Amino acid sequence: DAGVTQSPTHLIKTRGQQVTLRCSPKSGHDTVSWYQQALGQGPQFIFQYYEEEERQRGNFPDRFSGHQFPNYSSELNVNALLLGDSALYLCASSLWGEQYFGPGTRLTVT
Amino acid sequence: AQSVTQPDIHITVSEGASLELRCNYSYGATPYLFWYVQSPGQGLQLLLKYFSGDTLVQGIKGFEAEFKRSQSSFNLRKPSVHWSDAAEYFCAVGAGNAGNMLTFGGGTRLMVKP
Repeated sequence: DAGVTQSPTHLIKTRGQQVTLRCSPKSGHDTVSWYQQALGQGPQFIFQYYEEEERQRGNFPDRFSGHQFPNYSSELNVNALLLGDSALYLCASSLWGEQYFGPGTRLTVT
Repeated sequence: AQSVTQPDIHITVSEGASLELRCNYSYGATPYLFWYVQSPGQGLQLLLKYFSGDTLVQGIKGFEAEFKRSQSSFNLRKPSVHWSDAAEYFCAVGAGNAGNMLTFGGGTRLMVKP
């Protein structure tokens, strides 16, 4: 079992650009959640996808959007990037109960 | 709204000494509580969780935590710390179904002296 995988590992973008991050859940898991972790802080919930629908959303602007595919993998899209979007983006998958986290994607906005 | 407070930003202990990391939560109903550990540049690994039942829960790597409803606390303990325990520790609270959104504390960075 490969666990939760995320791609890419790192990327650097310029202010105003758009970015797409990808997540493959743990085998058998049907729910994917995304979190943003700024440097020196705890992760903050962005949103959660289940059955290809956004089920819950945290306090993030509409620039943050997502998608879940029939195979349960997911994408996080961020438009009009700001310097403050620089962070580690974590994906977590779950079936019932605890969430399993991937290694994250480090996004740097310059 | 749910919230989590980890009062200690940094803690330094000597190898072999005991450890207690504090966590206080705010949540209107029975919470689902978690402790995660994060090594530099890595994702989060679940140490232990509390859903219901026995208030003293055992986790991996020799960690345990005790849920105290009267104090709204879920402190993490380890009787003897190893140098490999140096990492960032996060307490989190979940609502309803434990697979729902987690609210994390700000984390406690643990340093271990030889």
